[in-house]
Amino acid sequence: GAGVSQSPRYKVAKRGQDVALRCDPISGHVSLFWYQQALGQGPEFLTYFQNEAQLDKSGLPSDRFFAERPEGSVSTLKIQRTQQEDSAVYLCASSFWTGVYEQFFGPGTRLTVL
Amino acid sequence: GQQVMQIPQYQHVQEGEDFTTYCNSSTTLSNIQWYKQRPGGHPVFLIQLVKSGEVKKQKRLTFQFGEAKKNSSLHITATQTTDVGTYFCAGTDHAGNMLTFGGGTRLMVKP
Repeated sequence: GAGVSQSPRYKVAKRGQDVALRCDPISGHVSLFWYQQALGQGPEFLTYFQNEAQLDKSGLPSDRFFAERPEGSVSTLKIQRTQQEDSAVYLCASSFWTGVYEQFFGPGTRLTVL
Repeated sequence: GQQVMQIPQYQHVQEGEDFTTYCNSSTTLSNIQWYKQRPGGHPVFLIQLVKSGEVKKQKRLTFQFGEAKKNSSLHITATQTTDVGTYFCAGTDHAGNMLTFGGGTRLMVKP
């Protein structure tokens, strides 16, 4: 079946622009996670949704970062007034249920801020 | 907050040699997961360990979870070129669902 998909795969933004990154999780997956992965580093947790509820947003680096999952399926990560330090790969992952289960990762969106 | 560290950061091996990566957490973990990320790819789940002292095998891969549930290791026997990639451990504490990833060990295999 279809895995987790993300769009766009690549995004180049000028400093100060707003961007929106989309994640389509595996159908029926309750949990959805966003991670930020800098070059040569491990993924860093940003935020977690259980269905449409955002249960943990402790990893969002600033109030410029906002995530939503209004109908409990597709999620959007929005970054306002992008800065150069926001350049990274943004990974989305979904998991079938709550609790700790295998996470299925999407291919990521590579964001470059000039 | 919880920190997860991995060593080594890089490892070059000759095809056929063994490889081990070590993972240490600053806090006791509820469970630990291992992921593999091929160059240019995304993390792919390998295994989850839950019990203290647990050992699991997948063909040439052996995973261990320490008795104190603060460390873990992944050992690959007789590496192959298909093993190339970065191996990440990721732990969860008792508080919830959030995974904290280690920095990863990048394995390079010379044929």
